[in-house]
Amino acid sequence: EPEVTQTPSHQVTQMGQEVILRCVPISNHLYFYWYRQILGQKVEFLVSFYNNEISEKSEIFDDQFSVERPDGSNFTLKIRSTKLEDSAMYFCASTGLLEQFFGPGTRLTVL
Amino acid sequence: GIQVEQSPPDLILQEGANSTLRCNFSDSVNNLQWFHQNPWGQLINLFYIPSGTKQNGRLSATTVATERYSLLYISSSQTTDSGVYFCAVEGWIQGAQKLVFGQGTRLTINP
Repeated sequence: EPEVTQTPSHQVTQMGQEVILRCVPISNHLYFYWYRQILGQKVEFLVSFYNNEISEKSEIFDDQFSVERPDGSNFTLKIRSTKLEDSAMYFCASTGLLEQFFGPGTRLTVL
Repeated sequence: GIQVEQSPPDLILQEGANSTLRCNFSDSVNNLQWFHQNPWGQLINLFYIPSGTKQNGRLSATTVATERYSLLYISSSQTTDSGVYFCAVEGWIQGAQKLVFGQGTRLTINP
């Protein structure tokens, strides 16, 4: 069964460093998303991506964040200068029509 | 924006018991999904159910879209059912195409 994959599973970084989280969506899907979940809280929408451009972003997704689909398979989330409050689980998701399928997540720890 | 409320926030049961988790939402939806977050933090798709009833083994779900609620039933609970259950919805607003999550119900099944 096709699935969304994410790498790395856990990333530890120093405050101020850049991180890139990687995702491989399901191959025939057209819409891609990033969500995040701060420990103990609910899952929050960050950004949606369709046809090689951002279709919607939340207020969380400020200038420190960017997304890219550098080739036909990968979808990345970059945080330019990490802050302590960026520590969270980051989920990638994709959909072909309506149901969204989530990857296993990347746990980001900012020290 | 659309609001999602889940109840109860916490539920503690003995193995073998049945449980009902509720999700109320504030507006019309074209997507409703139930997820189980396992102890490793992964979001496992349980149901895509914008309306009607579905069953998968010991789990079933019903969404009454006209009354803006969904129910997740777990029968004969097992300890492996423990974790947080999230309901997430996508509203009918054009261009939204994002899931809005509830706060979750933390289910604990004791042996």
